[in-house]
Amino acid sequence: NAGVTQTPKFQVLKTGQSMTLQCAQDMNHNSMYWYRQDPGMGLRLIYYSASEGTTDKGEVPNGYNVSRLNKREFSLRLESAAPSQTSVYFCASSRDREGYTFGSGTRLTVV
Amino acid sequence: GENVEQHPSTLSVQEGDSAVIKCTYSDSASNYFPWYKQELGKRPQLIIDIRSNVGEKKDQRIAVTLNKTAKHFSLHITETQPEDSAVYFCAVNDYKLSFGAGTTVTVRA
Repeated sequence: NAGVTQTPKFQVLKTGQSMTLQCAQDMNHNSMYWYRQDPGMGLRLIYYSASEGTTDKGEVPNGYNVSRLNKREFSLRLESAAPSQTSVYFCASSRDREGYTFGSGTRLTVV
Repeated sequence: GENVEQHPSTLSVQEGDSAVIKCTYSDSASNYFPWYKQELGKRPQLIIDIRSNVGEKKDQRIAVTLNKTAKHFSLHITETQPEDSAVYFCAVNDYKLSFGAGTTVTVRA
């Protein structure tokens, strides 16, 4: 039982490049989330998926897209990376709206 | 969305003393209030939570109190130890969890 698995753990991108962050959970959770964490700003929600087949914008969705591929997997895509997207990204899942389990994070640097 | 304010942003305590972190929220319909601990370079992990039908909950050296009327809740850590040094986040649910900005707790030996 791995919980929530994120890949990659580290990534450096040049401005304008694209990439996809992968997230998978094996806890049969319905809901999945993508947060970004910046110093002094806590965790801010980018997108979430309340159930398979649905996605919704969170607090800071601009510059990102998501795909809920199936119940287990929820990916985050940066189409044209910008330095402002340098951050630590966390994926999380929950059975309902409680008891979030977080992945280990992806540290992204855009130069 | 929910507005969660967390204070203080940093807290330094002597080992063995108590630490208290406070959070306020705006949506009176919120009914779930978890606290997460994040060690340096690690993921946030749930340490305690409370639901709106309970005023206080304890788990060994940590406790959470909730005042729904005033819309604030607090984390209390007693007999602090060096391993309590971390960033602590409060959170509140509406359709998803909204997090406070975090409190960096340093326990001095």
